[in-house]
Amino acid sequence: AQSVTQPDIHITVSEGASLELRCNYSYGATPYLFWYVQSPGQGLQLLLKYFSGDTLVQGIKGFEAEFKRSQSSFNLRKPSVHWSDAAEYFCAVGPNPGGTSYGKLTFGQGTILTVHP
Amino acid sequence: ETGVTQTPRHLVMGMTNKKSLKCEQHLGHNAMYWYKQSAKKPLELMFVYNFKEQTENNSVPSRFSPECPNSSHLFLHLHTLQPEDSALYLCASSQDTSAHTDTQYFGPGTRLTVL
Repeated sequence: AQSVTQPDIHITVSEGASLELRCNYSYGATPYLFWYVQSPGQGLQLLLKYFSGDTLVQGIKGFEAEFKRSQSSFNLRKPSVHWSDAAEYFCAVGPNPGGTSYGKLTFGQGTILTVHP
Repeated sequence: ETGVTQTPRHLVMGMTNKKSLKCEQHLGHNAMYWYKQSAKKPLELMFVYNFKEQTENNSVPSRFSPECPNSSHLFLHLHTLQPEDSALYLCASSQDTSAHTDTQYFGPGTRLTVL
């Protein structure tokens, strides 16, 4: 069964500092990987996704993530955090086509990001 | 309206009430999903519809009854709920669950409180 672990429940950074949110996954084949962001009272917004190819993926709002197969990780990074980035971030893994679990995204517990001025 | 919309945004109901949540997507997608988001728990997939056919029921209690009349609309009918059903219910849509690079897009959610 697939699973996703986000080891950090809560991270606090200062505005302008760099950010890395960790995500580790467990999946038998090459996974599809996603990062979503959720602002308070809102739904989830897709930041970026990895399906294949270049392991460094660029997303919206200046975010990027790197797929490392050897470490089963897909960490999210941003070089300089803005106050508006304060939100909850979710990593998710989905099945590769050819499997039997179409549509079944598995989400991590989420990491809450607080940004200090 | 663009994207995925959900109504109502907030709902308070008693355990004996019957209510429905509505989701509408304006993206031309063929797959729709219901998720439950409870405090301190990962997002839980409840139901998946692809081309109006239910393809996934993730062991959801029968007090939750989904309906997908067409690819643009998805309902979640609620009856005799329990207080532990209080949560944020999120709807999502995607092009097609069998598509090579299928990506889910989420609505803003309905905050449900069961008294």
